[in-house]
Amino acid sequence: GQQLNQSPQSMFIQEGEDVSMNCTSSSIFNTWLWYKQDPGEGPVLLIALYKAGELTSNGRLTAQFGITRKDSFLNISASIPSDVGIYFCAGVRGSNYKLTFGKGTLLTVNP
Amino acid sequence: DADVTQTPRNRITKTGKRIMLECSQTKGHDRMYWYRQDPGLGLRLIYYSFDVKDINKGEISDGYSVSRQAQAKFSLSLESAIPNQTALYFCATSDTTGLGETQYFGPGTRLLVL
Repeated sequence: GQQLNQSPQSMFIQEGEDVSMNCTSSSIFNTWLWYKQDPGEGPVLLIALYKAGELTSNGRLTAQFGITRKDSFLNISASIPSDVGIYFCAGVRGSNYKLTFGKGTLLTVNP
Repeated sequence: DADVTQTPRNRITKTGKRIMLECSQTKGHDRMYWYRQDPGLGLRLIYYSFDVKDINKGEISDGYSVSRQAQAKFSLSLESAIPNQTALYFCATSDTTGLGETQYFGPGTRLLVL
């Protein structure tokens, strides 16, 4: 099935650093969602984006819906140890309500 | 209390056994989904239901069946479990807010098929 290209696959950063990750596709999406998953838990919704060009913040997290509707990025500012986890992007195409997921970015934050 | 609950959280079974994973939600959402997660493969859709009378296959439905007993309940069954069905299984519900689709996930069921 359709896949989103999520990068990087993993990141190792120091506490306090900023983080950026993104998802791209050859197809147009009309919704972008960003989730975080902790070990042994389900994905938790961080930010939802519904309009091309939309920029939305949630605390230290900021995400943008690309103008071309084929990409999205997530930034985390001033990372802290509890930011550790796997971050997934997901997109919805057209009137199809099914989500297409990226393969995730594993974030490790060194104190 | 959690909005989306899954039972059991962990399950070990043997090849050939029939098992059922259950999902309940208190969010009042019409749409419910079952996904499996494997390392390196991300989340893949098994089945989805847009209301009690609507059941649809996802991308990997072979070997699975579902039942939507009520708006709040959506069960996944493995008729005859096999080892490559060992995975983490997630239920999700969704709400079309008028802006777009947003899905909310349960805590997952870790299944091991021996």
